[in-house]
Amino acid sequence: KNEVEQSPQNLTAQEGEFITINCSYSVGISALHWLQQHPGGGIVSLFMLSSGKKKHGRLIATINIQEKHSSLHITASHPRDSAVYICAVFSGNTPLVFGKGTRLSVIA
Amino acid sequence: DADVTQTPRNRITKTGKRIMLECSQTKGHDRMYWYRQDPGLGLRLIYYSFDVKDINKGEISDGYSVSRQAQAKFSLSLESAIPNQTALYFCASSERGQETQYFGPGTRLLVL
Repeated sequence: KNEVEQSPQNLTAQEGEFITINCSYSVGISALHWLQQHPGGGIVSLFMLSSGKKKHGRLIATINIQEKHSSLHITASHPRDSAVYICAVFSGNTPLVFGKGTRLSVIA
Repeated sequence: DADVTQTPRNRITKTGKRIMLECSQTKGHDRMYWYRQDPGLGLRLIYYSFDVKDINKGEISDGYSVSRQAQAKFSLSLESAIPNQTALYFCASSERGQETQYFGPGTRLLVL
């Protein structure tokens, strides 16, 4: 079974800071997902990537397949970015394996 | 309207009671999932179904059962609820090969 580790577990930042959340996994994968869980509980998918880099607004996700590592960056962070960010990996025809999440708080 | 709906949104029950959580999706996805979320443990898979005739146990299936009544519907039952099943439960769906999962809003369950 793939082991997915996220770091840090908790992160507090000042508004405007550049934020990086890391995800590493133990076994080769087909794709990696980043999800966001808002304080109200709802979960939405942010990115699915299998190589390289994707960007959506102020969010950037990168993956290094050889190193089994992905990062999620948030530029010019804002209090509305406060949420739990979850990494999940997909290998072949099995369900996603999730990390435990990184809780981000952005203070104005 | 939401693509994935869950009912009820909140439920309080007593130890030993049988309860059912229901999930419906309008995205036409083949695959559906039930997860529970506990503080500090992340999302854990209870059961999943890759099509109507396919049901598979996840990592924490003991004490739970499921029914895939139709492509769009996947229900989770707790046959005899116990307090350590108090958690936030999520249903999700995905399309084969894509694996981007669409989550329902969650059901908060409290077992007294």
